[in-house]
Amino acid sequence: DGGITQSPKYLFRKEGQNVTLSCEQNLNHDAMYWYRQDPGQGLRLIYYSQIVNDFQKGDIAEGYSVSREKKESFPLTVTSAQKNPTAFYLCASSKGRGGTEAFFGQGTRLTVV
Amino acid sequence: DAKTTQPTSMDCAEGRAANLPCNHSTISGNEYVYWYRQIHSQGPQYIIHGLKNNETNEMASLIITEDRKSSTLILPHATLRDTAVYYCIVPSLYNAGGTSYGKLTFGQGTILTVHP
Repeated sequence: DGGITQSPKYLFRKEGQNVTLSCEQNLNHDAMYWYRQDPGQGLRLIYYSQIVNDFQKGDIAEGYSVSREKKESFPLTVTSAQKNPTAFYLCASSKGRGGTEAFFGQGTRLTVV
Repeated sequence: DAKTTQPTSMDCAEGRAANLPCNHSTISGNEYVYWYRQIHSQGPQYIIHGLKNNETNEMASLIITEDRKSSTLILPHATLRDTAVYYCIVPSLYNAGGTSYGKLTFGQGTILTVHP
């Protein structure tokens, strides 16, 4: 089945450690996005990418980094510089070319202790 | 970017139609209206989108006013499983490499609660 997969579903890390969240899609979509969601809030855009080896900062990019070495993969690294990393992280993809229907993964809930 | 305004919450009885309004008075002529919903602790799910004509699919109907400044998402026979946060979004369009993409900006959405 085609889809977008995030792993792991739950992740615990100690404060000060970098952590990388995985996002893979087999939909052949060009565009991929990372969002952060805090309790009771809407989604906020962290980074997005349209093509391999190219990506742009979203509204809250500080403390995060991404790479897009393959079309299918868009991993997000939460660095120690992110002051409040505990959140629900969602990855999405869309085909672009005017079709902005986005498909979302099931999310990774990161807890930093 | 066209911003949207939605009520914070709404209730609906099971089996009845749920009508969720959205205002997008600053929408421009080539911008679409998209609706997504998010069930608790899951990723958002695409529902429907439209430009200026009314649209219907297996999940819902979308009614867009003639001036395009507002729209209504209709769930014709709401079930308990339709309880979710519903987001009305007007993607901001950007071009990259000659291709058009849409950046989704999520507001607070409408919490729809369907009661037995």
